[in-house]
Amino acid sequence: EMQLVESGGGLVKPGGSLRLSCAASGFTFRHFTMTWVRQTPGMRLEWLSSISATSSDIYYADSVKGRFTISRDNPKNSLSLHMNALRVEDTAIYFCARVVSLEAGWFDPWGQGTQVTVSP
Amino acid sequence: QSVLTQPPSVSAAPGQRVTISCSGTSSNIENHYVSWYQQFPGSAPKLLLYDNNKRPSEIPDRFSGSKSGTSATLGITELQTGDEAHYYCGTWDSSLRAGVFGGGTKLTVL
Repeated sequence: EMQLVESGGGLVKPGGSLRLSCAASGFTFRHFTMTWVRQTPGMRLEWLSSISATSSDIYYADSVKGRFTISRDNPKNSLSLHMNALRVEDTAIYFCARVVSLEAGWFDPWGQGTQVTVSP
Repeated sequence: QSVLTQPPSVSAAPGQRVTISCSGTSSNIENHYVSWYQQFPGSAPKLLLYDNNKRPSEIPDRFSGSKSGTSATLGITELQTGDEAHYYCGTWDSSLRAGVFGGGTKLTVL
């Protein structure tokens, strides 16, 4: 069974940093593009970043470009999201997902999510 | 503000049919496949449809999808109370070079 498990969320002050991790199992991790998506308190889904199987192609949403860094460790079946200069508006549940087709917005499966709260 | 536009809510009675629209532009929906996701409270989004109208094997054929021009539509027939959830459309935007989602639609089965 394919499974993604996020960790690393928590409470942080504005301007602070956090590193999220996503542990993958049940599929050949090194063959797939991976992505991070967050869900705001208003239930809106926001795509954040995607990284290709070999890390050769990386994409970011404008809202996080320059502040967030996506990376992966294929031997460890792990995906990461380093978040710097956090803002109150970054408060959300952060999901990692396997990308079946980036150009079709086809993400399956998703992890259960990890909560990030940015508050003074 | 989401790039793709969905109605915030729809409702219908059990056994009825409902459609949820997803409106975009030539940079996204018109030139890319669309996916749909179902999300229950407290759970992660789950893939419902991909490539506009294809269903994963575990999704019943009560769920269908279509696309025309810059809009996509999710249809659900024979509504059940267990279908109450949030539904999201998603695709890629070639101008933004970014993934994009609709704002989500809350389905209420009265």
